[in-house]
Order: sequence, then C-alpha cells, then structure tokens
Amino acid sequence: QVYLVQSGPEVKSPGASVKVSCKTSAYTFSGYGISWVRQAPGQGLEWMGWINTYNGNTKFAQSLQDRVSMTADTATSTAYLELRSLRSDDTALYFCARDRSRDGSYYFDSWGQGTLVTVSS
Amino acid sequence: SYVLTQPPSVSVAPGQTASISCGGDNIGSYSLHWYQQRPGQAPVLVVHDDSARPSGIPARFSGANSGNTATLTISRVEAGDEADYYCQVWDRSSDHRVFGGGTKLTVL
Repeated sequence: QVYLVQSGPEVKSPGASVKVSCKTSAYTFSGYGISWVRQAPGQGLEWMGWINTYNGNTKFAQSLQDRVSMTADTATSTAYLELRSLRSDDTALYFCARDRSRDGSYYFDSWGQGTLVTVSS
Repeated sequence: SYVLTQPPSVSVAPGQTASISCGGDNIGSYSLHWYQQRPGQAPVLVVHDDSARPSGIPARFSGANSGNTATLTISRVEAGDEADYYCQVWDRSSDHRVFGGGTKLTVL
C-alpha cells in the first residue's frame, strides 16, 4: 500500500506564501513523479504542475508558473509545493498525487488526503 | 491547450447502467484515465489507459475510447457509486496533464 500524507490546513493573508508538504512511503520515491492538483470549493480538479523526483525537473500549468515552486527531498521521500502572492481565488483543497507513467501515458495512481489552504484577510 | 468536455450531471436508478462521456478532439489517440471522487474525499483512479482497471476496482467499471469520445460505463449501479467522475489525459504537445470538468453521478 502506497502512502502520501500531507501537512495540515493553512490560513494565509493575501500576498503571503504557503508551503505544503507531501510525505510518501512504501515505494521508491525517486521512481515516480509527483503532481499537485487543487480543487476550489464546489469546483473541479485543476492540475498545477509536476516534479520529477529523480532529477528535480518541473513542469507547471501556465496560469501558475510565475507563482509556484515544487521541490523534492529524496532523503525524506517528501515533496513540497510553494505558492506565492496568494489571492482569495487560491483558496482550495490541494492534493499531491503519485504521477505514474506508462508508455507515454501519465496518470495519478495514489493521492494524498488533501490540504485546505484558505486565503483571507 | 487540450480541452476535455464532460456533461455536468448524469442520473441513474440503482441496478441500471450509467454512461459518462468525455469529449475531445481526436481523443481516441490519447490514453484516457478516469477518477472517482466521493464527497469530502480524495480522488481514486478507477480506469487507466482507456480500459484498464487498477486492483481493487470492481469489474462493474469499464472504459472505452475512440474517435472524439471516451466513455466510462458503470454496470449494476449501487448507491455507493454516487460521486463526481473526472476524465484526464496527458497532452503531449504541452506536456501538461489535463482534467475534464467533472460529471456528478446521482443514483436515484
């Protein structure tokens, strides 16, 4: 059984930054990428970006690329998402997911429990 | 970027068959994946690569993908299948993962 355990809820002011962690276990961390997906209240899933946990390469959604960073610590098998210059519309549930590739296909076969980030003045 | 289109809602009676569509330009040339998200929970992969089921997913869940439409079919629908369902592809031109807007399945 693969585990992805995320950090707890956050409340931030507009303009601040937030860093969410995703600690993994029961698999080889550097053998799979990690994607981050968010879900605003009552809305659908939005892919934010992906990190190659082996070499640190990243790919971000165009709408977020100026404000987002993703890192991976292979020593602790933990991935991190940082989002800067927070706005009210960044209020959402943030998920990490194991990003599995298969013959050029990419999908998410295990998910964290989600971290609620609330941006409010 | 690539766009996936899903109906907002589908309703079905218990024991019947539900079909949830996912449309996109030449979607049959993409590997298509489906997720189930029950209220208040994280998504769960139910079909990958068009029609493959992960271990633990009942055989009642099946998928097909051809032309401009992919379909998730749930046979003998149960109350516990009530959830939001999302399709997803990898857009090779942008190297982005893309989700459809989601379909709420209601079991009457």
